[in-house]
Amino acid sequence: NAGVMQNPRHLVRRRGQEARLRCSPMKGHSHVYWYRQLPEEGLKFMVYLQKENIIDESGMPKERFSAEFPKEGPSILRIQQVVRGDSAAYFCASSPQGQSYNEQFFGPGTRLTVL
Amino acid sequence: GQQLNQSPQSMFIQEGEDVSMNCTSSSIFNTWLWYKQDPGEGPVLLIALYKAGELTSNGRLTAQFGITRKDSFLNISASIPSDVGIYFCAGLLPGGSYIPTFGRGTSLIVHP
Repeated sequence: NAGVMQNPRHLVRRRGQEARLRCSPMKGHSHVYWYRQLPEEGLKFMVYLQKENIIDESGMPKERFSAEFPKEGPSILRIQQVVRGDSAAYFCASSPQGQSYNEQFFGPGTRLTVL
Repeated sequence: GQQLNQSPQSMFIQEGEDVSMNCTSSSIFNTWLWYKQDPGEGPVLLIALYKAGELTSNGRLTAQFGITRKDSFLNISASIPSDVGIYFCAGLLPGGSYIPTFGRGTSLIVHP
């Protein structure tokens, strides 16, 4: 029973390029949450999605960042025109029920480095 | 946004020692959560606390929900090398919040 999968595990981009981070939830989970972790910081919530719906994007920067969770395929976090400050670890979590905190299972993260 | 003060920032201990770390907040939380993050991995939930004063154990780990609802403690007894990692506290605000507010973490290194 595979856990939450994220790819790539490491991503290097130059300033101005686009970054696409993918998250496949655990089998049977239809709720996905994205978090960002800066060095030596805790995780900060970005966005919560169900299939084909954004439920809560209160933590998402207004510009350059977008997220989707299509009917088929993984959830995608997209960062356009990356800047050095976007360098961080991006984690996704999935849960079987909506608005769940104690059943959020985290993936291994994608470490984004912007040169 | 809400701030959780987690201390200590890092700990270097000998195998077999007990460990204690804590989290404080200026806000009241309804739920406290403790996670462990291994290097290069995502956090894993260790313990969840739901009531003020609650004391819960998970093997060698014991966590308490402070009586003021503004703090929580995690103790690890008889540490072993695989306890190495970063431990995060997180809290859920009243009002049905389902998104944890995380502390900055306590990095634990255990010397054999």
